[in-house]
Amino acid sequence: KNQVEQSPQSLIILEGKNCTLQCNYTVSPFSNLRWYKQDTGRGPVSLTIMTFSENTKSNGRYTATLDADTKQSSLHITASQLSDSASYICVVSAGGNNRLAFGKGNQVVVIP
Amino acid sequence: DAGVIQSPRHEVTEMGQEVTLRCKPISGHNSLFWYRQTMMRGLELLIYFNNNVPIDDSGMPEDRFSAKMPNASFSTLKIQPSEPRDSAVYFCASSSSGEYQETQYFGPGTRLLVL
Repeated sequence: KNQVEQSPQSLIILEGKNCTLQCNYTVSPFSNLRWYKQDTGRGPVSLTIMTFSENTKSNGRYTATLDADTKQSSLHITASQLSDSASYICVVSAGGNNRLAFGKGNQVVVIP
Repeated sequence: DAGVIQSPRHEVTEMGQEVTLRCKPISGHNSLFWYRQTMMRGLELLIYFNNNVPIDDSGMPEDRFSAKMPNASFSTLKIQPSEPRDSAVYFCASSSSGEYQETQYFGPGTRLLVL
């Protein structure tokens, strides 16, 4: 069973609307959680990195939240733009050995 | 800075052939990572170097895969012999240190197709 589960697998939203992506993990002990944006045919680009003590972090219109007690994170996209169409990957790092566990991504399509 | 540079961008080869993928990390970065991405398995970490030394190669699938980092500005990932199931996009990433909070910068990837 994958240690990082993302939902929904894919979604379509209208330009200008908001959306929220979910990431649930079972990695333990927890070190940090990262959200990446990956455009089609490109490498992933880091959006946010959060450690245990952080419960929210923003990067422009992207806001990530973390609840380390329930082992859940979300990525909120505000006022979506066509350029937000991409795959969003949640990556959790285990403490101690820095092993990484990857979600399979949320595929977002923004339509005009 | 040009970012992480990977070559070739695309590679098509026949089963059994040797494949060598190349990576130039961002100048000044001392950590380098090789990843593989497929539709079925998503993104997987293959190997991680820090200061040119392999720190964690537990993600390398089998002995057909090998990676080297002879100096701070160059790394290779070799598959010998290649098999159709190795078809994937291979990414190289670098970061300024091996610390847990450091951002990794990804290259554009090499799209490998093994026939």
